Amino acid sequence: EAGVTQSPTHLIKTRGQQATLRCSPISGHTSVYWYQQALGLGLQFLLWYDEGEERNRGNFPPRFSGRQFPNYSSELNVNALELEDSALYLCASSTGTGGTEAFFGQGTRLTVV
Amino acid sequence: GQNIDQPTEMTATEGAIVQINCTYQTSGFNGLFWYQQHAGEAPTFLSYNVLDGLEEKGRFSSFLSRSKGYSYLLLKELQMKDSASYLCAGHNYGQNFVFGPGTRLSVLP
Repeated sequence: EAGVTQSPTHLIKTRGQQATLRCSPISGHTSVYWYQQALGLGLQFLLWYDEGEERNRGNFPPRFSGRQFPNYSSELNVNALELEDSALYLCASSTGTGGTEAFFGQGTRLTVV
Repeated sequence: GQNIDQPTEMTATEGAIVQINCTYQTSGFNGLFWYQQHAGEAPTFLSYNVLDGLEEKGRFSSFLSRSKGYSYLLLKELQMKDSASYLCAGHNYGQNFVFGPGTRLSVLP
């Protein structure tokens, strides 16, 4: 069974540009979570999607947005990139019913120069 | 909301036992999870507790006390490959997973 897959693995953008990150959850999982992990720091919650709807949002500016598609895959968009947006962006999926673990993808390493 | 706290760093010796503590304040609690994360890699699931008590999985065990808002991860027979960050995460009904800051464990020979 395929795990959570994220693309691209690495992404280099210049300040002010937009970045789009993609995530495919494990088959049968309806919930997708996005986290930002800056170098040496903990996981900061960005967004949670379930059944195509945004369920919760972390303390990030509106230029961080996303969506979930009918097949439950998800996209994270970051507009007007800033240098401090450089981080590992992790996507996780779960069944969404609660009480079950979330499985993580390998992440997208975004570098803003 | 949720607030999760754990020590920043710990050091232990190969072959020893180490206990990593996690405290949390949360409402609508629906489980406490532990993940392991090696540097530069994604977190991997270790254990899940929703009821009070100890869950054992080989060398790793996790304990939960809901009344005290407290959990710990116990690692036995430490190996060098256990050097990693250990993340405590809480999950509420209808909420996302919230992660603690992580405990960086260094296993020394």
